[in-house]
Parts: sequence; structure tokens; C-alpha cells
Amino acid sequence: EDKVVQSPLSLVVHEGDTVTLNCSYEVTNFRSLLWYKQEKKAPTFLFMLTSSGIEKKSGRLSSILDKKELFSILNITATQTGDSAVYLCAVEKGTYKYIFGTGTRLKVLA
Amino acid sequence: DAMVIQNPRYQVTQFGKPVTLSCSQTLNHNVMYWYQQKSSQAPKLLFHYYDKDFNNEADTPDNFQSRRPNTSFCFLDIRSPGLGDAAMYLCATSRDLGGTGGRGGYTFGSGTRLTVV
Repeated sequence: EDKVVQSPLSLVVHEGDTVTLNCSYEVTNFRSLLWYKQEKKAPTFLFMLTSSGIEKKSGRLSSILDKKELFSILNITATQTGDSAVYLCAVEKGTYKYIFGTGTRLKVLA
Repeated sequence: DAMVIQNPRYQVTQFGKPVTLSCSQTLNHNVMYWYQQKSSQAPKLLFHYYDKDFNNEADTPDNFQSRRPNTSFCFLDIRSPGLGDAAMYLCATSRDLGGTGGRGGYTFGSGTRLTVV
């Protein structure tokens, strides 16, 4: 059975800390992996990863994919309270079929 | 099995001719989303409904409208399709906006591929 597993399920850190969120997957016919940030609204797209070993960066956020070991990490450096959200990982299986992980709930304390 | 069903799977429409794509769900989820996905790109959120509450993304063109007559159905109306609107359109649902993924969380339909001629 296809699955996408995120860890940890939740995390509490202080402002300024660096966090690493994990997403591992077992999906046949992998095409891409996506990261989303969700606050109390529709999820916001962060990154789309298709190739192993190529880091994508956007400000304090970065992500990388390892297609051999079947995982991705999302790093957030110098965290701020505005980073508090649920971070979702989704894997595109085949064409236009998505399997979401359960999410990691991040809380950043001032 | 509870599902998100999109009809039709493939739709061909003429340039400028209004077209409606449909989505139905048996999950009784509160939130329904419409995404547009073009080749090799991530899905782009167009809008979503939380119950009857409509939320448009800032960069969604006016050409795209949506209706949700009841919990189970949601429609995407493209008033005057252009060639640039050819894409896969994905409907998704989630129980709420609290960020719950995985089982019982986000569920995508199989999509409608729109061709504009």
C-alpha cells in the first residue's frame, strides 16, 4: 500500500531555532514530492521536488529530496512565530494522483 | 468507497466557449478545492469553499468561477476559455482547514483534462 509518513507529528521550538521536518514515502510510480504550509486556510505551496540531491531554497526554508532512500526534508532556519503551522508533504503518484502525509504541526514560541 | 469524483475525465472545448467541470464527493468533507495543474508544474490553487464560504485566490483570473450548491457538489466554470487554460483541473476535499492530511484528510479526484481548440 502506498504511504507517506511525516515526522515528527508535532514540534514546539523557540524563535531562532532551526527545525528539520521529515517526509518518507513508499509510493509506486513516484513523480514528484510537494511541501505545503497550512495555517487556518487553504494550504500554501512551498516546494516541488522531482530530482534527488538538488536543494530548493526560499528565504529561510529549504528542502531536498533523496529518491534512493525515499525521503525528503524541509528545513526552516531562524524560526519565527509566523512559521507556526502544519507542514504537509504530498507525493504525486503516477499522473495527477496525490497522497498526503499526516502533517507535522510546528509551534514556534516567542 | 468514499470518493471524490470528477466528470468528465477529458473535456475538449472551443476557444471562448463556456465550459463547466464538475466534482462530487461522498466524504461529507467541509472543504472543497479547485486546482489547476499544467505539465511539470505543481497544482495551483484557484479557490476553495469552506461549507458555503467561497475563498478566491488573489491571482485567480476572473474568467474562473465556482459554485457549490450543496456539500456534495462543486463546479468550476470557465467563462471564456483561452488556449492558456488548457490544463488538468483537480478537485480536492478536506474535512476542515486545520491541516489534517493523510487518511480522512486531503483527497483528490482523478482530475479533468481540459483541451481548448
